[in-house]
This record gives sequence, C-alpha cells and structure tokens, in this order.
Amino acid sequence: TQLLEQSPQFLSIQEGENLTVYCNSSSVFSSLQWYRQEPGEGPVLLVTVVTGGEVKKLKRLTFQFGDARKDSSLHITAAQPGDTGLYLCAGARNTGGFKTIFGAGTRLFVKA
Amino acid sequence: GAGVSQSPSNKVTEKGKDVELRCDPISGHTALYWYRQSLGQGLEFLIYFQGNSAPDKSGLPSDRFSAERTGGSVSTLTIQRTQQEDSAVYLCASSLGLAGNNEQFFGPGTRLTVL
Repeated sequence: TQLLEQSPQFLSIQEGENLTVYCNSSSVFSSLQWYRQEPGEGPVLLVTVVTGGEVKKLKRLTFQFGDARKDSSLHITAAQPGDTGLYLCAGARNTGGFKTIFGAGTRLFVKA
Repeated sequence: GAGVSQSPSNKVTEKGKDVELRCDPISGHTALYWYRQSLGQGLEFLIYFQGNSAPDKSGLPSDRFSAERTGGSVSTLTIQRTQQEDSAVYLCASSLGLAGNNEQFFGPGTRLTVL
C-alpha cells in the first residue's frame, strides 16, 4: 500500500513565525503536488514538482521535492493569518493507469 | 459556470436509502475524479474517468458504490443502501488531461450524512 505521511498533523503558530510541513513516502512518485483547502471548499493547487531535488517558490512559500522523489517539504516564511488552512500533499504514479494518493494533511492555524 | 460544481451541497439520508451525487466538471476537461474525505482525514481516491471510461474501479469502497459519466461531461456517484460509515464529504475534480502533473480543479463537495 502506498502511503503519504504528512507531519505535523496540526500546527498552531503566531503571525510572523516560520514553519515547515513534511510529506514522506517509501514510494517513488512521478510528480507531487501541494494543495491548500479551506473549510467548506475543495482543495486548490499551490504547486506541482516533478524533478528530484526541484525547488519552487511561491511568494513566502518554498516547496522542495526530494532527490529520490519520495518526499517533499513546504516551508512558509513569516506566516500570516491568511495562510490558515489544511495543506495536502498528493503523489501521482503513472504506471499503466492513474492513481493519486493524498496525505492526511497538515492543519495550520496562524494567530494574529 | 467557470468551475467544478457539485450537487447537492448537503445530503442527509437514512441508513439503507440510495443516494446520487452529481458533478459538473469544467467544460473541456477530459479527466474527472471522485474522492471521499472523512472528518480530519485526507482525500481517499475513489475512481477516475478518462472521457466516459473508468478503467480502474478498485478504489470504490464496496459494490454499493458505482459511478458513471455521460457525454464526457457530467458524472454521478451512486451509493446504494447507505451505511453510517458512508458519511463524509464527497469531492469531485476535473483536469485537462490524465497525467499526474495536471492540476485538478475541485468542486466544493457534497456533505453526506447517513443517520
């Protein structure tokens, strides 16, 4: 069974702090995506990484794909209340079919 | 509309009843996906469609679950003889293509409560 484990499960921090969220697996993925989900809505894509070792930046968010394409991290600098939400990583494998596996998510709460 | 829409937004049903959930994907998106999200959990992949075809139904939790897509557009997820453990938010997503690096656009979900 392919699993994507995310840590921490829950994070409550003050505005202005930095944080890192991790997504780990024993499986290799052809691509990995990070989504953010707010209450009552579906997830919204933040970034897709496809190359081992790839680093992508989106304003205060930095995403990294592990060299072996089994893990990823999301780092947020100077968190703001608007960053509050559920962060989900999703790994895809294109081997004779299609399956996307989502992690259980990290619920982030940024206090003003 | 511009995005993925789902109906109903909320559904409360009694154990043993059948329910039908609808998804309207973004026009032109050939791939469509169904997920289930239980409280405090991540997304559980149920089934995907490429056009009207669903090549792999192994993600469906039981034979009480079925899904179809017609005209390469609207999809329905049907749950027969609902059980309390079926209670969850059912999310639909669509994408231009099937490759894993395509962005999936999600609908707001249908919250199903089985009493």
